Amino acid sequence: DVKVTQSSRYLVKRTGEKVFLECVQDMDHENMFWYRQDPGLGLRLIYFSYDVKMKEKGDIPEGYSVSREKKERFSLILESASTNQTSMYLCASSGAGYRDDTGELFFGEGSRLTVL
Amino acid sequence: DQQVKQNSPSLSVQEGRISILNCDYTNSMFDYFLWYKKYPAEGPTFLISISSIKDKNEDGRFTVFLNKSAKHLSLHIVPSQPGDSAVYFCAASARTGANNLFFGTGTRLTVIP
Repeated sequence: DVKVTQSSRYLVKRTGEKVFLECVQDMDHENMFWYRQDPGLGLRLIYFSYDVKMKEKGDIPEGYSVSREKKERFSLILESASTNQTSMYLCASSGAGYRDDTGELFFGEGSRLTVL
Repeated sequence: DQQVKQNSPSLSVQEGRISILNCDYTNSMFDYFLWYKKYPAEGPTFLISISSIKDKNEDGRFTVFLNKSAKHLSLHIVPSQPGDSAVYFCAASARTGANNLFFGTGTRLTVIP
């Protein structure tokens, strides 16, 4: 069965702390994504990666960075967390040539981050 | 600038009746559309999709209709069941463009038993 696993379901951090959110997929997918979900704003793309060590900015990359050292792992980093980064973070992956038959993204269960 | 819009934040429907969720888009380059369903504390799961070469796609109780001229799509659920209560996100992509899905803001569907 397809699996995208996010390391932490719930985190509470303080303003200014460095935060790592880890995501692992077991489907050998080329593409991996980080979204955040906020009420009334839907899902917004932060960063994505289509290959190891490759990354592309999404719609809201400010305040975030990412790392993809291995194909199966995509990490989201908040260098200095702020209260406006309190959100639900969703990792997703998709197969080769995102242009596959379904265009389907497979999502993890999400990581709810609260920054105090 | 929201390229995919779901103007109804919530919808309540009686069990057994039809649920119709609507979605509008502005980018004429979008050529693939998907619906995702999300339960609280879970990630979204893929529900159904449609290519721009079609105007309808059906999968069991779920049917998606696409009206390209109006840049509008809708998801019909018939009959609605209490287990369908969730947030539904519409998403769109331009297959020849960036490697990205654009999501709407979601509609919370409540099916009343």
